[in-house]
Amino acid sequence: KQEVTQIPAALSVPEGENLVLNCSFTDSAIYNLQWFRQDPGKGLTSLLLIQSSQREQTSGRLNASLDKSSGRSTLYIAASQPGDSATYLCAVPNDYKLSFGAGTTVTVRA
Amino acid sequence: EAQVTQNPRYLITVTGKKLTVTCSQNMNHEYMSWYRQDPGLGLRQIYYSMNVEVTDKGDVPEGYKVSRKEKRNFPLILESPSPNQTSLYFCASSPNRGGAVGTDTQYFGPGTRLTVL
Repeated sequence: KQEVTQIPAALSVPEGENLVLNCSFTDSAIYNLQWFRQDPGKGLTSLLLIQSSQREQTSGRLNASLDKSSGRSTLYIAASQPGDSATYLCAVPNDYKLSFGAGTTVTVRA
Repeated sequence: EAQVTQNPRYLITVTGKKLTVTCSQNMNHEYMSWYRQDPGLGLRQIYYSMNVEVTDKGDVPEGYKVSRKEKRNFPLILESPSPNQTSLYFCASSPNRGGAVGTDTQYFGPGTRLTVL
């Protein structure tokens, strides 16, 4: 059974600091890993999808790495801004669904 | 614009009153799915559909029904809602190329917040 864990559950940083969000999964036989952003009470916005054959994926200030062998992914957000405050979720395909972590809630202080 | 839409976005209802939450996607995706999100429990899959007329149970299907008569629509039906179905509901879709659900990005709708009194 695939289990996805995100640590820490919450993170508060001053504006400008780099963010490091961690995701771990128990079954390394994955097709890909997807990172989402969720604003309070809102929908999920896909940020990055890393295929199993890739080691990392970048989009603007966001960079995600994937180490299948160790069952880990890390999302880096450079030079954080107050607008980055949100909950970040990672998810991996598992049978016919996505298995999600519980998320890391980020607060960027101005 | 490529998107997944859900209606209604907010709904307050009473126990036992049948309701339907609609989900529609304009990307010609084969795969569609419903999740519910609850504090402390995260996102859990209710039902999914691999294509028209092909649906199957997810992890928490009790109390829900779905249908897939057209490729673009995947409504969620609560025949007799109960307070424990109060939740935030999300519909998702993806291309399902090659028959493997996991190979593509999944796109989520904006969510439906349901309260059952």
